[in-house]
Parts: sequence; structure tokens; C-alpha cells
Amino acid sequence: GAVVSQHPSRVICKSGTSVKIECRSLDFQATTMFWYRQFPKQSLMLMATSNEGSKATYEQGVEKDKFLINHASLTLSTLTVTSAHPEDSSFYICSAHTGVNEKLFFGSGTQLSVL
Amino acid sequence: AQSVAQPEDQVNVAEGNPLTVKCTYSVSGNPYLFWYVQYPNRGLQFLLKYITGDNLVKGSYGFEAEFNKSQTSFHLKKPSALVSDSALYFCAAGNTGGFKTIFGAGTRLFVKA
Repeated sequence: GAVVSQHPSRVICKSGTSVKIECRSLDFQATTMFWYRQFPKQSLMLMATSNEGSKATYEQGVEKDKFLINHASLTLSTLTVTSAHPEDSSFYICSAHTGVNEKLFFGSGTQLSVL
Repeated sequence: AQSVAQPEDQVNVAEGNPLTVKCTYSVSGNPYLFWYVQYPNRGLQFLLKYITGDNLVKGSYGFEAEFNKSQTSFHLKKPSALVSDSALYFCAAGNTGGFKTIFGAGTRLFVKA
């Protein structure tokens, strides 16, 4: 199946710094990628839909200035957590599909810990 | 290694019939388990989860799932399928000691009128 690579898998940062998470589709072009956030023992929460060459679509309640999404190419979307705070500590995961009616493939996730 | 298996790539069922989408897992420690649904060009939508408690978990849209520890399974069920249930379904697992969620490969459900 298609491969989605997410990097880094784990990051620890100081409060106030920014962290960038990359999501790459390795063997297919993804015009759309999705970013999710997950708290312990909770379900994934869709944060935003990332569209290549255009602005991301954010879900209600997600701060677009806090969570910057850039989808500069058909194989790369990035999520930047700006001015991170401890409450931003969470598990972030991306997903992409090869076509509108095709299955989603998931990155391996990024565990962010903000000290 | 931790894993989630959805043995069926596709499930076909007639409208009004019961449906089952299978999922088995292998995680260390006590598992927490989820089912999600994907509609075309949409992100995942949460259906239900099991953390602790009753083995039968009820979720959105009339779906339910049964946690079976001895068989390490968490099959998704619905007593009477609707055409609108046709979608992709993903099972996911994590353990209470860790954080990472692992997804199954997904099962496409077709409900025929």
C-alpha cells in the first residue's frame, strides 16, 4: 500500500518555541492531506484539511494562527505549532489518500511534549 | 510488534441485513480501541471507542462493537445496514501505557439497496 512518512516521531521543546511536523506521501501524490490531534485515551480530532496550493481548511475551534499548515507540493504537508505551550502537548497524526474514493493512509504520528 | 488487522478489504451486505466489520489487534498492556469512518475526500469521523467497562460499546449511527479480550478482537456491528453506511471503516488501537495509535488498513463497506 501507499506510504505516508511523518517526521519527527517525537519532539520535546521549550514553551514559546515553534515546532514543525512534516508529512510526506512517499509513492503517490496527495492533493489532500488531513491533520489530526489526539489526547490520551481520546479519539482523533480532525484539525484541518490541507489542500495542495491553497489555504488549509480548519475545523471549528482550531486556531489557524497557532497551527500553521502549508501544503507546498503534492507530496508534502507541514504543520507548525507556533509559540508552543504545555497544553499543546499531544499526539499529532497526518493522513492522505491516493484519490477521492480511496483509503486513507496514515503517518506514524508525532508525540509533542512542550516543557 | 503492535498491530491492528482488518482481514477483509471489502464487505458487501444487503440493506436491512446485519453487518460486521472485523478487527483484531495486538498491543501490549490494556488496549484502547476505536472505530472511525471515512467518507470520500473527508477526514476520519469517530464512531466509538472502548477503554474499560462493558465489552459491548455503542456508538454513532447505530453502530456497536464488541471487545473480546480472549480473541483480541473488536468487531464493528450494526443490526440493520443502510445504503448510507457505505464507506471506509478503520479500526485503531493504542495501549493505556503508551500514546501512539495504530491503524488497520481499512475495510470498504458496500451496502446494496
